[in-house]
Amino acid sequence: DGGITQSPKYLFRKEGQNVTLSCEQNLNHDAMYWYRQDPGQGLRLIYYSQIVNDFQKGDIAEGYSVSREKKESFPLTVTSAQKNPTAFYLCASSIQGNRNYGYTFGSGTRLTVV
Amino acid sequence: AQSVTQLDSQVPVFEEAPVELRCNYSSSVSVYLFWYVQYPNQGLQLLLKYLSGSTLVESINGFEAEFNKSQTSFHLRKPSVHISDTAEYFCAVTDGGATNKLIFGTGTLLAVQP
Repeated sequence: DGGITQSPKYLFRKEGQNVTLSCEQNLNHDAMYWYRQDPGQGLRLIYYSQIVNDFQKGDIAEGYSVSREKKESFPLTVTSAQKNPTAFYLCASSIQGNRNYGYTFGSGTRLTVV
Repeated sequence: AQSVTQLDSQVPVFEEAPVELRCNYSSSVSVYLFWYVQYPNQGLQLLLKYLSGSTLVESINGFEAEFNKSQTSFHLRKPSVHISDTAEYFCAVTDGGATNKLIFGTGTLLAVQP
């Protein structure tokens, strides 16, 4: 079955370290997104990509970086510049230009700074 | 810019009682509207969507939502809730731009009590 796979499900990071969250999809979707979720704040867009080798900043991109070298993959790196990285991170994908499709989400990665 | 408001952060309700989760959006332009459900430590799953046509849309598990253009609302209802409906519910709307980015509300936690 097609879907989005996020790994790992739980991740612990020491202060000052960079960590990379994986997001892979086999839906043949062009567009991919990264969201951060904190209690009571809903989903906040970090980065999104509409096509391979191109991506745009979302609302809270500072302290994060992404790459989109392959259509299937959109990894997110949480850098040491992100001062409060503890959160639940969600990856999503959609059919570019198809507004009635909505998003397909992965199951998330919970990142904790220790 | 498009925005979505979910005024209720939490809605407690007894099992078998009816429930309404409120959602209002800002734009008067043509929009597509979605409700997503999130169970603990999981990603979001599409519950239902309004694209066009009949203003009342239904999901397979008994939820329904009514698109009201004059009130710019898309409230979610269920006539009789179950314990298993306990989850967070997010309303989303297309941003109206060239991409099909979704704008999410801050979510409503539906807490069903026995």
